[in-house]
Amino acid sequence: DAGVTQSPTHLIKTRGQQVTLRCSPKSGHDTVSWYQQALGQGPQFIFQYYEEEERQRGNFPDRFSGHQFPNYSSELNVNALLLGDSALYLCASSFLGQPSGNTIYFGEGSWLTVV
Amino acid sequence: GQNIDQPTEMTATEGAIVQINCTYQTSGFNGLFWYQQHAGEAPTFLSYNVLDGLEEKGRFSSFLSRSKGYSYLLLKELQMKDSASYLCACRKGNTGKLIFGQGTTLQVKP
Repeated sequence: DAGVTQSPTHLIKTRGQQVTLRCSPKSGHDTVSWYQQALGQGPQFIFQYYEEEERQRGNFPDRFSGHQFPNYSSELNVNALLLGDSALYLCASSFLGQPSGNTIYFGEGSWLTVV
Repeated sequence: GQNIDQPTEMTATEGAIVQINCTYQTSGFNGLFWYQQHAGEAPTFLSYNVLDGLEEKGRFSSFLSRSKGYSYLLLKELQMKDSASYLCACRKGNTGKLIFGQGTTLQVKP
């Protein structure tokens, strides 16, 4: 049973470019949340996708957008990259029908460096 | 609003016991998670509390008081490999959305 998988693991982009990060949730999970974790900080919630729609959004600009596919996998897109977007991007999957318990699992993350 | 506070850094000795505190103010609170995160790695689940009381799991225990907005993670028989960042996170509502604290970096010394 595969856990949460993310790709790529590391990437370097130039300011102004666009990036797409990918996530496949744990088998049986239907909800994907994305987090940004800057060095030395706790993860910050970006948004959450369920049934192919954005259900909740954190305090991030519209440059951050996402998508969820029918197989529950998800993409995070960031446009017009800034140096401050350099961070670890984490994907977490859960099953909306099971609100309690330890049902939130994180992937290994994608390290994004903007130069 | 949301506010989660935990100490930035702690140091403890191998074999000892350490308690990491977390206080929170979160609307729609629906449970508290503790995660361990080693440098350069993703957070790994340690514990989950939704009711008041103590949850014990091997060397790790977690406590929650909803009325006080307070939790702690207790680590016993510390090992060098326990050196990591420990993240306190509140679940908001009936979803998978977590609000994290800034994390507590624990250094275990011989």
